[in-house]
Amino acid sequence: DIQMTQSPSTLSASVGDRVTITCRASQSISSWLAWYQQRPGKAPTLLIYKASTLQSGVPSRFSGSGSGTEFTLTISSLQPDDFATYYCQQFSGLSTFGQGTKVQI
Amino acid sequence: EVQLVQSGAEVKKPGESLKISCKASGYSFTNYWIGWVRQMPGKGLEWMGIIYPGDFDTRYSPSFQGQVTISADRSTTTAYLQWSSLKASDTAMYYCARQTARGVSYFEYWGQGTLVTVSS
Repeated sequence: DIQMTQSPSTLSASVGDRVTITCRASQSISSWLAWYQQRPGKAPTLLIYKASTLQSGVPSRFSGSGSGTEFTLTISSLQPDDFATYYCQQFSGLSTFGQGTKVQI
Repeated sequence: EVQLVQSGAEVKKPGESLKISCKASGYSFTNYWIGWVRQMPGKGLEWMGIIYPGDFDTRYSPSFQGQVTISADRSTTTAYLQWSSLKASDTAMYYCARQTARGVSYFEYWGQGTLVTVSS
């Protein structure tokens, strides 16, 4: 199995902050990576796929980068709606999720 | 509009069987892979497996292979996740989700989730 490690597990931030979340793969996954947002009590929603492609309808303050084994999700200016948990997912071969990063105030 | 509507919450005893469903609409059911994701209480997302209703090709995570069965019914455009003998550790929220790309890929559309509680 390819293991995905996200850091940090929890991140404290304020509205307007620039936030970066990292996801590392245990082996190269090229650009086969997606990012999701999950608000409490809700299903996840897709933010970014193929490492850097923004899903339709997702605000441009979200961006993704990386390839191989290291990836980042950046929120350029944190908004109140962005306080949530974020997951990466690799889909090279079978699929696995990272353990999640909770963005809190 | 793509919609995935899951069956309601279930409360079961250990050892019982269960089949939960995910009704798809708004697209051609046989052309897209559907998968299942587990979320145990207070924990992260776990990829369980996917099925392609076009030819019933199914892929499982090694962690879930042999523990659950993923199936689909083309006549009712419904995907299923089933257990033959539940354990307390199966207590979780289960999401179905639809891929857009071929093979193993990311999930673009999600169901609302089905909460399964297994308790004696």
